[in-house]
Amino acid sequence: DTEVTQTPKHLVMGMTNKKSLKCEQHMGHRAMYWYKQKAKKPPELMFVYSYEKLSINESVPSRFSPECPNSSLLNLHLHALQPEDSALYLCASSQVAGGYNEQFFGPGTRLTVL
Amino acid sequence: GESVGLHLPTLSVQEGDNSIINCAYSNSASDYFIWYKQESGKGPQFIIDIRSNMDKRQGQRVTVLLNKTVKHLSLQIAATQPGDSAVYFCAENKRDTGRRALTFGSGTRLQVQP
Repeated sequence: DTEVTQTPKHLVMGMTNKKSLKCEQHMGHRAMYWYKQKAKKPPELMFVYSYEKLSINESVPSRFSPECPNSSLLNLHLHALQPEDSALYLCASSQVAGGYNEQFFGPGTRLTVL
Repeated sequence: GESVGLHLPTLSVQEGDNSIINCAYSNSASDYFIWYKQESGKGPQFIIDIRSNMDKRQGQRVTVLLNKTVKHLSLQIAATQPGDSAVYFCAENKRDTGRRALTFGSGTRLQVQP
């Protein structure tokens, strides 16, 4: 299995809602990542998890809360988002964080905040 | 056809021609580079990578060239096909972050005319 899966594919939420994005991989990778991608822009790194521990937080606002319950799963909890947070949220994984390891990306969750 | 990356975000080529997509990077501490292809509605897909101890690496129909002197990277696609139409991103993995953080360039859209 060389796939990173993400659910849901699409999400529409209000500014007072709480929702979660989910990501799963079964490649035995020990590093997982969240990226945010606005339309016609490159992906921007948000968080890096290494061996289930948060390794990098790229100064992301606290309304985004990541969680890595085990080595296969990565969640992104969303609360009190703003319309400018609407974007494609991409999850990726690699064998380990660091070193010469390619990152495998999921298809993303397209989030719309009303 | 040839692009200059940041200054020409769209490259249009005829089917069967060779394509060259360029990318400039700024961080001399970067020692690992990856090219990704992103089709509409999908996550980035790994194409080819290169370490800084190499100048050239070849894959199937693709070649990546690295010029560390001028901090320039290029992706050459031979015999471009309609299925190659996508946005192409170069990404650098910075040694000074332990290569944990992947930073993407702004991307070039490749349009293949039949």
